[in-house]
Amino acid sequence: DAKTTQPNSMESNEEEPVHLPCNHSTISGTDYIHWYRQLPSQGPEYVIHGLTSNVNNRMASLAIAEDRKSSTLILHRATLRDAAVYYCILRSDSSYKLIFGSGTRLLVRP
Amino acid sequence: GAVVSQHPSWVICKSGTSVKIECRSLDFQATTMFWYRQFPKQSLMLMATSNEGSKATYEQGVEKDKFLINHASLTLSTLTVTSAHPEDSSFYICSASGQGKNSPLHFGNGTRLTVT
Repeated sequence: DAKTTQPNSMESNEEEPVHLPCNHSTISGTDYIHWYRQLPSQGPEYVIHGLTSNVNNRMASLAIAEDRKSSTLILHRATLRDAAVYYCILRSDSSYKLIFGSGTRLLVRP
Repeated sequence: GAVVSQHPSWVICKSGTSVKIECRSLDFQATTMFWYRQFPKQSLMLMATSNEGSKATYEQGVEKDKFLINHASLTLSTLTVTSAHPEDSSFYICSASGQGKNSPLHFGNGTRLTVT
């Protein structure tokens, strides 16, 4: 499974945008980029996913580099409820599995 | 949105006993479910992939005879921790995949198992 690299932690101020980076230099052409987040003592929650084009949904935006070797999850206005561990995961088109890395712990300051 | 229900949310059992955890997809059919475990301050570790009507596929290092998985219907998968020991104490999380190879995974809220 292709691996991803994320910073261990990031901090943000409430109501400011947050850009969470992810490097995946060994991504293959059929790998989708998935983002999930996990609040304390809860199961992960789906955030967004994409293949090549940038994606937007009600939770976030996903910006994918042209060479697909990196991506950025964008939270447009961070709230205290967005404090969580964010996981960037590559999911192969041939496999349903999600292999979690260590993720980025996002701290949101009031 | 799609919902996955996991039960119980927490359980305490004595060493040597078995514990069953249920995972249900409430509003969609899940041909594939996954079981993860998570130790404190660590990431999720995939234990096994559960396919409806067939044997589960276990990840390397996971004992299939200790962690019994049954996926008898399109909406229910169960994980039984047999002869539990304190080192099995962990947070167990299931997830289910909807139709389509690249549909998102939906996760249950986890089961906190404590073995005394």
